[in-house]
Amino acid sequence: EMQLLESGGGLVQPGGSLRLSCTASGFIFSNSVMNWVRQAPGKGLEWVSFVTSGGGTTYYTDSVKGRFTISRDNSKNTLYLQMNGLRAEDTALYYCAKGGSFEIWGQGTMVTVSS
Amino acid sequence: DVVMTQSPLSLPVTLGQPASISCRSSQSLAHSDGNTYLNWFQQRPGQSPRRLIYKVSNRDSGVPDRFSGSGSGTDFTLKISRVEAEDVGVYYCLQGTYWPRTFGQGTKVEIK
Repeated sequence: EMQLLESGGGLVQPGGSLRLSCTASGFIFSNSVMNWVRQAPGKGLEWVSFVTSGGGTTYYTDSVKGRFTISRDNSKNTLYLQMNGLRAEDTALYYCAKGGSFEIWGQGTMVTVSS
Repeated sequence: DVVMTQSPLSLPVTLGQPASISCRSSQSLAHSDGNTYLNWFQQRPGQSPRRLIYKVSNRDSGVPDRFSGSGSGTDFTLKISRVEAEDVGVYYCLQGTYWPRTFGQGTKVEIK
């Protein structure tokens, strides 16, 4: 069974940093493009970032460019999102999703940015 | 950015009756490779999103056949032929043709 498991969320002060992880199982991770998507409390879905299977190409939504970095370690079947300069508006449940059409989603990890 | 506009935003339905959700894009989602990258997702209360439909009309494995997707260009529809209690939740469309990827606002389906 294909699964994704996010971790690394928590409470952080404005301006702080966090690194999220997404561990994959049940499929060949190194063959899959991957995404991060977030959902603020009570709000809709917002695409955040994308990375190709080899990690060589990345895309970001404008609001996180220059602050967030997506990366992956195919030897560990793990996707990352390094988040720096966090703001209150980054507070959300962060999901990783497999594939260009988002066919598999994890359960999410909550990030709260507050003083 | 491509704006995805869903309607209605709230959809009360009677069990066993049909339901229809519209999703319109601000630009044609037809890709130069011949595909149209429009997907539909269901998010039940307290759960992660689940893909139902990809490339306009392709139903995912395990998705009941009462769900169907249609459309082209800028105008797309998700239909539920007979709503069941387990269909309660929020439905989102997503375009995968352009960067950045963009979701619709979501349509909340509830039982009358």
